[in-house]
Amino acid sequence: AQSVTQPDIHITVSEGASLELRCNYSYGATPYLFWYVQSPGQGLQLLLKYFSGDTLVQGIKGFEAEFKRSQSSFNLRKPSVHWSDAAEYFCAVATNRDDKIIFGKGTRLHILP
Amino acid sequence: EPEVTQTPSHQVTQMGQEVILRCVPISNHLYFYWYRQILGQKVEFLVSFYNNEISEKSEIFDDQFSVERPDGSNFTLKIRSTKLEDSAMYFCASSEAGGGIGYTFGSGTRLTVV
Repeated sequence: AQSVTQPDIHITVSEGASLELRCNYSYGATPYLFWYVQSPGQGLQLLLKYFSGDTLVQGIKGFEAEFKRSQSSFNLRKPSVHWSDAAEYFCAVATNRDDKIIFGKGTRLHILP
Repeated sequence: EPEVTQTPSHQVTQMGQEVILRCVPISNHLYFYWYRQILGQKVEFLVSFYNNEISEKSEIFDDQFSVERPDGSNFTLKIRSTKLEDSAMYFCASSEAGGGIGYTFGSGTRLTVV
């Protein structure tokens, strides 16, 4: 069965610093991969998704993610974080045939002023 | 941009009561889903629904849960006899095709069982 691992529960970075959130997945074929962001008490906002093609995916709010098949990873990056980026970030995977999305446990991002 | 609408945004119910959570998916979407997020935990798949029947359900989705598309626009999740551990945020989602393509989540209903 497919699964998603986000090894970092909490990450703290200073405002203006670069960010990388790690995500590893387990699935035998090429998955569909997603990053969602959730502010406290709010819903899920899609940042970006990878289905096929270029392995570097651009998303909203200046985020990007790179699909690395050899490492089964889909890490999220941002060159310079803003205080408003403080939130919970979820990596997720879907398969070609199943129509459910499997979420990781999330990484909570804290921003230092 | 089309949205998935969920009502109510917050519902408080007494243990043992039935509760119905409502969702209006995007009009041309064919696949419908419910997910649950217990406070501070990850989002978990509950059930998917296509062509007026359940296409997949998780272990969480036991006999206390049911889904329905009563009138061609609404998509509901019913919990027959709520328990304290049913307290969670419930997200509805819809998509144009299976595999997570074009997935759109609603803003959620926070269910509190007291």
